[in-house]
Amino acid sequence: EADIYQTPRYLVIGTGKKITLECSQTMGHDKMYWYQQDPGMELHLIHYSYGVNSTEKGDLSSESTVSRIRTEHFPLTLESARPSHTSQYLCASSGGQGYEKLFFGSGTQLSVL
Amino acid sequence: ILNVEQSPQSLHVQEGDSTNFTCSFPSSNFYALHWYRWETAKSPEALFVMTLNGDEKKKGRISATLNTKEGYSYLYIKGSQPEDSATYLCALRDDKIIFGKGTRLHILP
Repeated sequence: EADIYQTPRYLVIGTGKKITLECSQTMGHDKMYWYQQDPGMELHLIHYSYGVNSTEKGDLSSESTVSRIRTEHFPLTLESARPSHTSQYLCASSGGQGYEKLFFGSGTQLSVL
Repeated sequence: ILNVEQSPQSLHVQEGDSTNFTCSFPSSNFYALHWYRWETAKSPEALFVMTLNGDEKKKGRISATLNTKEGYSYLYIKGSQPEDSATYLCALRDDKIIFGKGTRLHILP
């Protein structure tokens, strides 16, 4: 059973609002990831972190930002939401070894009107 | 940048039949290849993590092989059941984990 949690599960919000998507894990994992998925498309890596105070941008350019102040917490923020940000956002974590699998949260389905 | 290709994109299989699908990639410079199953309304769950050329993994009716020299991995499902309906994702791990688009499997009763 994965111990990684995302909130909210669904979010409908107006253009221009600031939003934060929460992701927390209780497994003590150093590595955490944010993926974005549009319908019919692959999971695109938008941010990752290898530990506290470490954040990197992924392969897909994103206007979102992330922070990693605590090991267990990896929130994603959009300062000004736009309809183009409408998508599913999945958070994941893994242990430190290169071969370790990902544990995924339940995802946040974001709709920006 | 790793490029992960999966085929077919979608597959319909009669219940009880066996099936397989492919993950292909251009490079062998990675730590591991992962297979995940993603059922509707759930989170992706890891099926296998494979690290070595010639690796074979098995879990119940599902198995996978890895050929790093020729750049592919196969996922096999024997005797498909309705609960096998899902999207199967392949991912390569080096410093990051990069996913393919997945194979969407539909089991027909």
